[in-house]
Amino acid sequence: KNEVEQSPQNLTAQEGEFITINCSYSVGISALHWLQQHPGGGIVSLFMLSSGKKKHGRLIATINIQEKHSSLHITASHPRDSAVYICAVKSNTGNQFYFGTGTSLTVIP
Amino acid sequence: DGGITQSPKYLFRKEGQNVTLSCEQNLNHDAMYWYRQDPGQGLRLIYYSQIVNDFQKGDIAEGYSVSREKKESFPLTVTSAQKNPTAFYLCASRKKGGTEAFFGQGTRLTVV
Repeated sequence: KNEVEQSPQNLTAQEGEFITINCSYSVGISALHWLQQHPGGGIVSLFMLSSGKKKHGRLIATINIQEKHSSLHITASHPRDSAVYICAVKSNTGNQFYFGTGTSLTVIP
Repeated sequence: DGGITQSPKYLFRKEGQNVTLSCEQNLNHDAMYWYRQDPGQGLRLIYYSQIVNDFQKGDIAEGYSVSREKKESFPLTVTSAQKNPTAFYLCASRKKGGTEAFFGQGTRLTVV
């Protein structure tokens, strides 16, 4: 059983489309992270959320603590957005992070 | 610039050899983590350390060993006992009491 579930696993979009990636979790958390992993492998943190909504450029992340659900939205998608997006949560009962299996996004010109 | 440095980026080893992956951070973070990533799976915790000279096994510690002699450094040794060592390895760190993890660029280990 995974503590963090993401959907979809794979996503292909045309340039300019609005994209949504979903994340559900089953543990108590102190924070949720959206991470981006490019083909080279390195991971960068896009957002850290504990409530509400955050926006950075064309990226928007929301979290509903009661429903244990978060979404990552990309507006006006671009081929350079092609990457794996990973949802991760920081447990509120220990020192562990739990990770989703990632959503592989391909944006076609 | 502060950050986490993993080296090397790519590593090839013969089966049966031990190999050590480096992870260094200059963020003054207390906690450091090692994760393994395999295709189609989320990151799995190998070992973590909350403080110098102390570390805890994660979910998949068998065949791995670590040390934490300095706050800045948390090397991971993949031993010959690890049955399937070929994978992508990521190091992360977190400041004491913080909720955000900072990641290195990863090391892709291939055992032939």
